[in-house]
Parts: sequence; structure tokens; C-alpha cells
Amino acid sequence: AQKVTQAQTEISVVEKEDVTLDCVYETRDTTYYLFWYKQPPSGELVFLIRRNSFDEQNEISGRYSWNFQKSTSSFNFTITASQVVDSAVYFCALSEVGLGGGFKTIFGAGTRLFVKA
Amino acid sequence: DTAVSQTPKYLVTQMGNDKSIKCEQNLGHDTMYWYKQDSKKFLKIMFSYNNKELIINETVPNRFSPKSPDKAHLNLHINSLELGDSAVYFCASSPNLASGSGVGNIQYFGAGTRLSVL
Repeated sequence: AQKVTQAQTEISVVEKEDVTLDCVYETRDTTYYLFWYKQPPSGELVFLIRRNSFDEQNEISGRYSWNFQKSTSSFNFTITASQVVDSAVYFCALSEVGLGGGFKTIFGAGTRLFVKA
Repeated sequence: DTAVSQTPKYLVTQMGNDKSIKCEQNLGHDTMYWYKQDSKKFLKIMFSYNNKELIINETVPNRFSPKSPDKAHLNLHINSLELGDSAVYFCASSPNLASGSGVGNIQYFGAGTRLSVL
């Protein structure tokens, strides 16, 4: 069965600090996809990154970086030099092919990040 | 040009009423979804349609009935609304479900519809 755990419910940092959001997943499939989405206070859900299970390369995009480790079933997200605009709820998600052939995506409970000026 | 648009943005109604939420995507995607986000921000899939056919139905009460007149639209009709239905409902779409090696399952979300049942 699929499961995504984001153990950190809330994190509070001061601007310019680095912060890492943890994500641990469970799956029996060998082919799966991992995502991070951002939900700012305005409420929309914004796609940040997708990783497939065969690609363990870490990725950096500006101040954002992601560390995918299959050995520990983790897909952690680091924000470097955080800014107030990074304040949001961040969701980790796992997607597998479901019974009907479509992708079934399970979201973690989310981590609320507060960045104080 | 809104890619995935939902209407209405806010919906306030009484228990027992029937209401609909509309969703349209102009991205040319084959697959559309409905999610429910509760007050604790927990996001859970309800339905998924691919080319107008239901492919995922996640133990949702049958008071909820999705309708897909064409692959660009997935509407959600809710009968006999209950207090527990109060939530934010998100519509999403993704490209061809089979193209997992490409961007097939990246989901693009609408802005959400906040439903309040009084």
C-alpha cells in the first residue's frame, strides 16, 4: 500500500536560514513517481518537482534542492536562504499506476513552513 | 488564461441541498481529478477520469457524482449536503495517463472551491 509521511507538521525559521522538509514514502511498486507541491496562503497548489523511481539524481533549482534516496525511501526538500515568500504548506506526494490504469496519487499531510522576517 | 478553472470559488449552502462545482481545463489533458482538502489541510483524491471514463473512485459516498461531458470538463455534483462535506475541493488535470516517462502524471490544480455547509 502507498503511504507518504511528512513527520514535520510545522516548521518556523528566520529569513535566510536553510530549512529541510522531510518526506518518507512506502510503496511496493518498483515504478513510481514522487512530487513536491507548494500551497501558499492564497490556497492554490503549485507543482514544484517530479522524480521517477529510476532517477536518484539530486536536483537543484535556484534556492530549492531535492534529495531522493531509495535506500531510505526518502525524498527531502531543502530551501536555502529562506525568504518570507517561501511561507506555505508543502506537500510531498507519491504516484503509482492504479487498478484502473490511471495514476493514483497519495499526498502527505503537509508541512507548514513559516519564514519570519 | 487560466489553465484549470473551477467555479464557483466559494459556495455556502444549507444542509440537505444539492450543489454542483464545475471544472474546465484548457491544457488539452486527457485525465482529470477531484480532490478534497479538509480543515487540517489533508488532501485526498476522490475521483479520476481519463477521456471521460471513470478510472479511480476512492470510497466516496454516492451522494457525490462526477460528470465528464468531454475530456476538458469534470463537474462534481453533490446531493443532500452534510456538515462533513465542508472542505475545499480541488480539480486537477494531467496529460496522457500512459506517458509516465514524460510528464504524464504531473497534475495541474485549479484554485479550489471552498464549500461551507451550514
